[in-house]
Amino acid sequence: DTGVSQDPRHKITKRGQNVTFRCDPISEHNRLYWYRQTLGQGPEFLTYFQNEAQLEKSRLLSDRFSAERPKGSFSTLEIQRTEQGDSAMYLCASSSGQGPHEKLFFGSGTQLSVL
Amino acid sequence: GIQVEQSPPDLILQEGANSTLRCNFSDSVNNLQWFHQNPWGQLINLFYIPSGTKQNGRLSATTVATERYSLLYISSSQTTDSGVYFCAGGYNNNDMRFGAGTRLTVKP
Repeated sequence: DTGVSQDPRHKITKRGQNVTFRCDPISEHNRLYWYRQTLGQGPEFLTYFQNEAQLEKSRLLSDRFSAERPKGSFSTLEIQRTEQGDSAMYLCASSSGQGPHEKLFFGSGTQLSVL
Repeated sequence: GIQVEQSPPDLILQEGANSTLRCNFSDSVNNLQWFHQNPWGQLINLFYIPSGTKQNGRLSATTVATERYSLLYISSSQTTDSGVYFCAGGYNNNDMRFGAGTRLTVKP
């Protein structure tokens, strides 16, 4: 069990640029979740996948945000035309998918800074 | 959506002391988890505890589902316990709401 892996650990970009983050879940986990965390707050749910199917995306923050999990393994989160308000920690989590509620395991996150 | 309130927001302890952190929910939940975020940002799952009591070493948690609250107990605190403790709850994993956290500082 290598845990949830996220890459990159830090990303600095200029306003208006596109950025993409990658998440590799725990290998046998079917469900994968993306969260955003701003300073002093708890994580905020964005979207989640059951295998390759994106089952909830209404809470993505805007149409500039999109996520994929093409083969049901790793996932990417893309932010287009970044804004300074997008600066935050982006966290990925996975769970086994054996039931509707089960333990979440988080990665170390990607810290995004938009200049 | 569910509102999650954590108390206290900040806590400073001397090493060896015990503490209790509280989490209140605005509605019933059937998925409740406690996490520790270390100073490097890593969120560690401490407990999945929708009801009842669980213990793991110096940590234990109790959830009283009918009264919509959960407690996290830390005994004989160590400096490595420092960080932010979050509770999160919802009906399923995809609708869990996190509280704002309790920031714990344990001094040697």
